[in-house]
Amino acid sequence: AQTVTQSQPEMSVQEAETVTLSCTYDTSESDYYLFWYKQPPSRQMILVIRQEAYKQQNATENRFSVNFQKAAKSFSLKISDSQLGDAAMYFCAYRTSNQAGTALIFGKGTTLSVSS
Amino acid sequence: DVKVTQSSRYLVKRTGEKVFLECVQDMDHENMFWYRQDPGLGLRLIYFSYDVKMKEKGDIPEGYSVSREKKERFSLILESASTNQTSMYLCASSLSGRGRKFFGPGTRLTVL
Repeated sequence: AQTVTQSQPEMSVQEAETVTLSCTYDTSESDYYLFWYKQPPSRQMILVIRQEAYKQQNATENRFSVNFQKAAKSFSLKISDSQLGDAAMYFCAYRTSNQAGTALIFGKGTTLSVSS
Repeated sequence: DVKVTQSSRYLVKRTGEKVFLECVQDMDHENMFWYRQDPGLGLRLIYFSYDVKMKEKGDIPEGYSVSREKKERFSLILESASTNQTSMYLCASSLSGRGRKFFGPGTRLTVL
């Protein structure tokens, strides 16, 4: 079974600084998808970024980028130029590429606080 | 924009009550999911459905059942609520198995 591990329950960063959130996963599959979701205090889960395992190039989305290390099964999220609105809980998630498996497997989350 | 709505933001029920949590999506999505979110445990899949009247157990189905009589609506049922089912419940939907998932705003259920 696949598992997702986020080893940092809490992180903090100052405005305009850069922060990296860690995520590791375990799988025997070679093709899969990885995601970072953001959950602000409003509780609405928002997709931040997505990475296909077969792509070597790291995904980027404006100030958000990932460092995908397939061999190490590591998928960290880097937030550059942090803003107060980035404060939220961040979840790393895995999804198999197998058509029969459609649900996301989530890590336990990392709470990010941003100070001015 | 896809909209996923949940019937209540907050709900308080008593032990032993039958509880219905409703989720509705407005984009004709095939797949719908129920997760529960607990501090330190992340999100865990309870049930999902890939078509009307079709359902699959997730990781923690015990104590729950689901109903999908219409494509747009996926209900989570607690037959006899217990205090350990106090949690945040999140519904999600996606067009296909591989499609992007859209989440509802969550229902915070307290069982007294």
